[in-house]
Amino acid sequence: EPEVTQTPSHQVTQMGQEVILRCVPISNHLYFYWYRQILGQKVEFLVSFYNNEISEKSEIFDDQFSVERPDGSNFTLKIRSTKLEDSAMYFCASRDHGLAGGEQFFGPGTRLTVL
Amino acid sequence: GNSVTQMEGPVTLSEEAFLTINCTYTATGYPSLFWYVQYPGEGLQLLLKATKADDKGSNKGFEATYRKETTSFHLEKGSVQVSDSAVYFCALSDRGNRDDKIIFGKGTRLHILP
Repeated sequence: EPEVTQTPSHQVTQMGQEVILRCVPISNHLYFYWYRQILGQKVEFLVSFYNNEISEKSEIFDDQFSVERPDGSNFTLKIRSTKLEDSAMYFCASRDHGLAGGEQFFGPGTRLTVL
Repeated sequence: GNSVTQMEGPVTLSEEAFLTINCTYTATGYPSLFWYVQYPGEGLQLLLKATKADDKGSNKGFEATYRKETTSFHLEKGSVQVSDSAVYFCALSDRGNRDDKIIFGKGTRLHILP
C-alpha cells in the first residue's frame, strides 16, 4: 500500500541553525501539506501546496519557513533560523486530485528538537 | 471560522467497556469529518470519515455519524480493547474550498485498563 514517508525521524539542531525536513508524498498525489504538533498539543496546519505554489498558509508559517518541491518526488519544509518554540513533531500529508476535503494521508512525522 | 471541539481527556475505561468521545464542529461550508488516531510514538492514522450529513463512518469496531442538525460527530465503540489506547483527534476539512486544510480538535487520550 502506498504511503507518505518522512526523513529524518528525529532531528536535533541548535537554535539559529537551518533545518530541512523531507517528505516523499504518495506518487500520484497532487496536493501537499505540512502540519505540526507541539508536544501535548493539537495538530496545527502550516501550509498547503499545489501546482508548484503555496495555496494557503497559516499565521505560524512566517518568513522563516519555506516549502519546495525540488523534483517530482520530494516535498521539503525549510526553517531558516530555528527557534526553541519550533520544537515539535512535523507531519507531511498528501492527497490526490479528487474533491477538496478528501482524505489526506499523513507521514509518520519528524520530531524536531531545537536546543 | 471553522473549528472542532472534543471532550477533554484523559478517558480511562476498563476493557470491554462502551466508549463515547464527543465531538462538535463549527463550519461555514460543507465539511468532511474525520477521526484520526495516534498510537504511542507513531504518526496520525485515519480511523474513519464521513463526507455528508447522516453518513456513518466505521472501522475497527469504531463508528461515528455525521449529524448536521447537532453539528456533531461523536466516536463510539461497543467494546474497547487495551490495544485501543491512543490519542483520538476529531477533525474537519471544508469540502467547498480548494484550500482544504484539516482542522483538528485538541485530542482525547484514551487509556484502556486490562
